[in-house]
Amino acid sequence: EAEVAQSPRYKITEKSQAVAFWCDPISGHATLYWYRQILGQGPELLVQFQDESVVDDSQLPKDRFSAERLKGVDSTLKIQPAELGDSAMYLCASSFGDGNTIYFGEGSWLTVV
Amino acid sequence: KQEVTQIPAALSVPEGENLVLNCSFTDSAIYNLQWFRQDPGKGLTSLLLIQSSQREQTSGRLNASLDKSSGRSTLYIAASQPGDSATYLCAVLPSNYQLIWGAGTKLIIKP
Repeated sequence: EAEVAQSPRYKITEKSQAVAFWCDPISGHATLYWYRQILGQGPELLVQFQDESVVDDSQLPKDRFSAERLKGVDSTLKIQPAELGDSAMYLCASSFGDGNTIYFGEGSWLTVV
Repeated sequence: KQEVTQIPAALSVPEGENLVLNCSFTDSAIYNLQWFRQDPGKGLTSLLLIQSSQREQTSGRLNASLDKSSGRSTLYIAASQPGDSATYLCAVLPSNYQLIWGAGTKLIIKP
């Protein structure tokens, strides 16, 4: 069964350093999402792509976060500089489009020390 | 503004019992509602998606219902098993196509 691939699975970084997460969606899925999830809460959307275009990044802290999906396939989420409050799980998800079932990757745990 | 609430936050039941998880939302103008399962430290797995025109969806021992007029959805789990222990989240898709999430119900099935 096709899966959304994410890496790294776990990342520990020092405050003010840069960190990057990678996501490969299910083949054929035009819509890609990056979510942040804090323990005990529902996911928070950071950015949504339709192919290579950003359709929603209203919740993305653009002073330190950036996301790209240059060829409309895989995607990278970068944080620079990382802050203590960024410690969370970063989830990538994909779907055929709005209103369709969303499939999540295993997530990337970030700890900022 | 759409808000999604899941009560209770945690639930513990003996193995074999049938149980119901609740999800309520404040605005009935939705396109669909989805139920997800999340195991500790893992990503989310989609369980059921109910379109706004549907009343329920079934998959194996799971049955999800949707009542838009009352702003409620329930996830029914039949003959619960220890492997069903997880956090269950619901999410609604409103007109702006950005999913609105509940905080989840942590379910523990005791052997």
